[in-house]
Amino acid sequence: SQELEQSPQSLIVQEGKNLTINCTSSKTLYGLYWYKQKYGEGLIFLMMLQKGGEEKSHEKITAKLDEKKQQSSLHITASQPSHAGIYLCGADIITGGFKTIFGAGTRLFVKA
Amino acid sequence: DVKVTQSSRYLVKRTGEKVFLECVQDMDHENMFWYRQDPGLGLRLIYFSYDVKMKEKGDIPEGYSVSREKKERFSLILESASTNQTSMYLCASSLLGGKQYFGPGTRLTVL
Repeated sequence: SQELEQSPQSLIVQEGKNLTINCTSSKTLYGLYWYKQKYGEGLIFLMMLQKGGEEKSHEKITAKLDEKKQQSSLHITASQPSHAGIYLCGADIITGGFKTIFGAGTRLFVKA
Repeated sequence: DVKVTQSSRYLVKRTGEKVFLECVQDMDHENMFWYRQDPGLGLRLIYFSYDVKMKEKGDIPEGYSVSREKKERFSLILESASTNQTSMYLCASSLLGGKQYFGPGTRLTVL
């Protein structure tokens, strides 16, 4: 959705390096979700953020929500090959009704 | 854990065929969704349902229909498959609002 922009579109990092993926909404966010998708498979839920300034962590993955910027960032510390995949953000917005939209995804490749 | 299953992981059909994609969830969720996922376009909502026999069009409903006769099952129907419907189809379910649980996806190829 153009209402939810993810950057970068793809990312290649050396194993052990840190990385950040951003998700920016053009609409007011009422909830922000991060999912991971292995190639050719379904989406696995990672985290949900609802309040401005909220930060959550799961293993080596941390996500933050900046309410003022209507933006969320996903940060991976010391990346591993198991982190490779597509990361998608989803957001609850109000546009002619309450709906959930998704970004186009960020493809992450981790070089061993 | 919530489980969302889809009837097929891979499907190959011919142009003009009628195609049924089935989705079943086991957590008594009210909402169910069908998306298609294409490179560079992300997930696009085709249809969703918030109750049995209730359905709402999403962003790209053309060429598709849905059926929800039972709460746990949501079917996506391609009345006459076309090559531009070749895609990855993902089903999801959720409670009223809240995070969506996704199935493993069906990769459909229309020849």
